[in-house]
Amino acid sequence: GENVEQHPSTLSVQEGDSAVIKCTYSDSASNYFPWYKQELGKRPQLIIDIRSNVGEKKDQRIAVTLNKTAKHFSLHITETQPEDSAVYFCAAITNSGGSNYKLTFGKGTLLTVNP
Amino acid sequence: NAGVTQTPKFRVLKTGQSMTLLCAQDMNHEYMYWYRQDPGMGLRLIHYSVGEGTTAKGEVPDGYNVSRLKKQNFLLGLESAAPSQTSVYFCASSRDIDYEQYFGPGTRLTVT
Repeated sequence: GENVEQHPSTLSVQEGDSAVIKCTYSDSASNYFPWYKQELGKRPQLIIDIRSNVGEKKDQRIAVTLNKTAKHFSLHITETQPEDSAVYFCAAITNSGGSNYKLTFGKGTLLTVNP
Repeated sequence: NAGVTQTPKFRVLKTGQSMTLLCAQDMNHEYMYWYRQDPGMGLRLIHYSVGEGTTAKGEVPDGYNVSRLKKQNFLLGLESAAPSQTSVYFCASSRDIDYEQYFGPGTRLTVT
């Protein structure tokens, strides 16, 4: 079936460094790629998303890049802070047949920002 | 606005028992989803609905049933609980498939 691969599964950085999380997808028709952040014991929340008609989107310290040819997209966090510590999930729309579209999530990346 | 709410927050079941998880949203969203979250497995879609009266299978539908009789509510049923269904269950809703999903606070279910 259609899937979304996410790497790395864990990432540890020093405060102030940058963090990069990468995802690949298999459905060439995918056109929407959100990123969610889940703090410990909390619900996932959208932090940024990108559609296939743009290659990059930025929101303060967070940016997402998309390479449709290579079918991969990445989350970039600059000047990391301890409050960035969380699990990050990428996702992509996949089609499992006919008009059966759904959002498929990667397995998540545990980001730890060390003070 | 309450957003997305789930009841109950915690539940312990014995193998073979049944229960229903209730999800409610007040954002007039067409799409609603049920996910389960297990360590190292991310968020896996159980069932979803694209509108009132509709349901569709997700990635891991076996052992679960759903109903969407009212637009604002999405119910997840376990007819005969198994230890493998021990998990955290999240409900979510969205305006459309390619818009932000708003998640509920989660239900922690333990099946012994």
